[in-house]
Amino acid sequence: AQRVTQPEKLLSVFKGAPVELKCNYSYSGSPELFWYVQYSRQRLQLLLRHISRESIKGFTADLNKGETSFHLKKPFAQEEDSAMYYCAPNQAGTALIFGKGTTLSVSS
Amino acid sequence: ETGVTQSPTHLIKTRGQQVTLRCSSQSGHNTVSWYQQALGQGPQFIFQYYREEENGRGNFPPRFSGLQFPNYSSELNVNALELDDSALYLCASRGGAQETQYFGPGTRLLVL
Repeated sequence: AQRVTQPEKLLSVFKGAPVELKCNYSYSGSPELFWYVQYSRQRLQLLLRHISRESIKGFTADLNKGETSFHLKKPFAQEEDSAMYYCAPNQAGTALIFGKGTTLSVSS
Repeated sequence: ETGVTQSPTHLIKTRGQQVTLRCSSQSGHNTVSWYQQALGQGPQFIFQYYREEENGRGNFPPRFSGLQFPNYSSELNVNALELDDSALYLCASRGGAQETQYFGPGTRLLVL
């Protein structure tokens, strides 16, 4: 069965601290991996996708096919990073499979 | 801000009633997906339409049905509403298989 596990429901850090949001997946085939983010009172939006290999808002994510993980990292958290983060694998043309999400809270 | 819109923003229904939720995709986006997001959970896939045909469905009963129209709008219909249908309903559109999905703001449905 296709499944996404985000083990932390809530991650609280101080401004300037490193952040790692964990994501493990179980998915047949070779999915593409995404991180979506939802800021307060805003719609769900794409943060980054693994094939782009980009750094968006200082966030990066490395796909580890051996461990089937796609952890999201940022070296120095900012208060504006506070949001709900969802990991989602996807096979081209099909729907996203979302994890339960991790709430990131960054305080000063 | 993306071009995906949804209506209404909020809706209250009673158990057993029927509801229709609407989504307007970005122009040129032939694929629309609908998701249900219960409180404290991630979005769960309901179904997907491509050029007015359903081409994918999640683990939802047949009382959840949909339509997609040539003008890039779509509907989610739910019959015989149950209390557990209370959730945020999201639609997302994309232009091609490799394209990013763009989400609407959602419709919050409360079933009493």
